[in-house]
Amino acid sequence: GAVVSQHPSWVICKSGTSVKIECRSLDFQATTMFWYRQFPKQSLMLMATSNEGSKATYEQGVEKDKFLINHASLTLSTLTVTSAHPEDSSFYICSARASSGNNEQFFGPGTRLTVL
Amino acid sequence: KQEVTQIPAALSVPEGENLVLNCSFTDSAIYNLQWFRQDPGKGLTSLLLIQSSQREQTSGRLNASLDKSSGRSTLYIAASQPGDSATYLCAASTGGSNYKLTFGKGTLLTVNP
Repeated sequence: GAVVSQHPSWVICKSGTSVKIECRSLDFQATTMFWYRQFPKQSLMLMATSNEGSKATYEQGVEKDKFLINHASLTLSTLTVTSAHPEDSSFYICSARASSGNNEQFFGPGTRLTVL
Repeated sequence: KQEVTQIPAALSVPEGENLVLNCSFTDSAIYNLQWFRQDPGKGLTSLLLIQSSQREQTSGRLNASLDKSSGRSTLYIAASQPGDSATYLCAASTGGSNYKLTFGKGTLLTVNP
């Protein structure tokens, strides 16, 4: 099956710093990439949708100036959490939708962010 | 706005039992429905994807059904094993330009040896 990687798998940072998370589709081209956030014992909440070469579309309540998304190529999207605060601590998961096929989303392994 | 509900929130069964997990969705105009497995602290593993035109999909001991008219899907697990213990999530895609997924809150399954 299609493989999506995320880097780093976990990160600990100080409050006020910025953190960048990468999402890569390893063996397919992704027309669309999605970023989700998951708090403990909660389900995945969609944060934003990004299409290659276009600005990301953010879900209601998600601050686009705080969560910067770049989708510069068909295999790479990045999420930057700017000026991170402890309440941003969460599990961030990306997914990628292939340019062809049945439009299935393939998920990365997630990134655990802890802000001290 | 699509809403996805999963019942029960948690389920504990002895090894060897057959079980059914339920998923319901409010907007029947779905493009497809996916079932995922999530182990603690891990990402999602796709189990089965059912297109809107399909009634069911099978993979090994897993069988997923879809009834669009009633807004329901079930995941049937046969002969459960301790290794099946995980959280099971269903997600509905309503198509559109990006095929976004709406997730349920999941069912935490524990299979006791």
